[in-house]
Amino acid sequence: EAGVVQSPRYKIIEKKQPVAFWCNPISGHNTLYWYLQNLGQGPELLIRYENEEAVDDSQLPKDRFSAERLKGVDSTLKIQPAELGDSAVYLCASSLRGRDNEQFFGPGTRLTVL
Amino acid sequence: QKEVEQNSGPLSVPEGAIASLNCTYSDRGSQSFFWYRQYSGKSPELIMFIYSNGDKEDGRFTAQLNKASQYVSLLIRDSQPSDSATYLCAVNDYKLSFGAGTTVTVRA
Repeated sequence: EAGVVQSPRYKIIEKKQPVAFWCNPISGHNTLYWYLQNLGQGPELLIRYENEEAVDDSQLPKDRFSAERLKGVDSTLKIQPAELGDSAVYLCASSLRGRDNEQFFGPGTRLTVL
Repeated sequence: QKEVEQNSGPLSVPEGAIASLNCTYSDRGSQSFFWYRQYSGKSPELIMFIYSNGDKEDGRFTAQLNKASQYVSLLIRDSQPSDSATYLCAVNDYKLSFGAGTTVTVRA
């Protein structure tokens, strides 16, 4: 069974440019999470989806970050415009509905903003 | 105060020794606790979870939970070089909150 797939794995952009990350969760997993992980820190939740509905986006900086999961499967996280402080690893995770104790993480996208 | 605090490390132990990792959490109502292992440049992977007070053993790993003290720990017995990684403590309330992690290096 394929795990959580993310692309790209690495992205380098200049500040003020837009960037998008893509995630395809494990097949059958209704719940999808986007996390941000800064160097030397644990992951921090940005947004959680149940199918296509964002049920927790309280930590998402909505002035520049947006996310969508239109068909309740794969998801895109966008930053526009990117700032230097956005340099981090963006992790996607998925779980079965109601099984958020068993999250499976993707490999992440390492973003560098110059 | 952060929700989840871990001993900062790094922790260096000789091969075959016991590595002891500590974690405290702020929300007394927390019910479920997790330890994730993260190799450098890789994503976190779940290695242990514990819900009840006491010890839970899985192979060379033992998780210990004391809800009265709001404390959860992870012991790695017979440490191997392959155990060298960052260990993240996580607490699940309405969301999974992670500590900053403790980096463990096992010296051959």
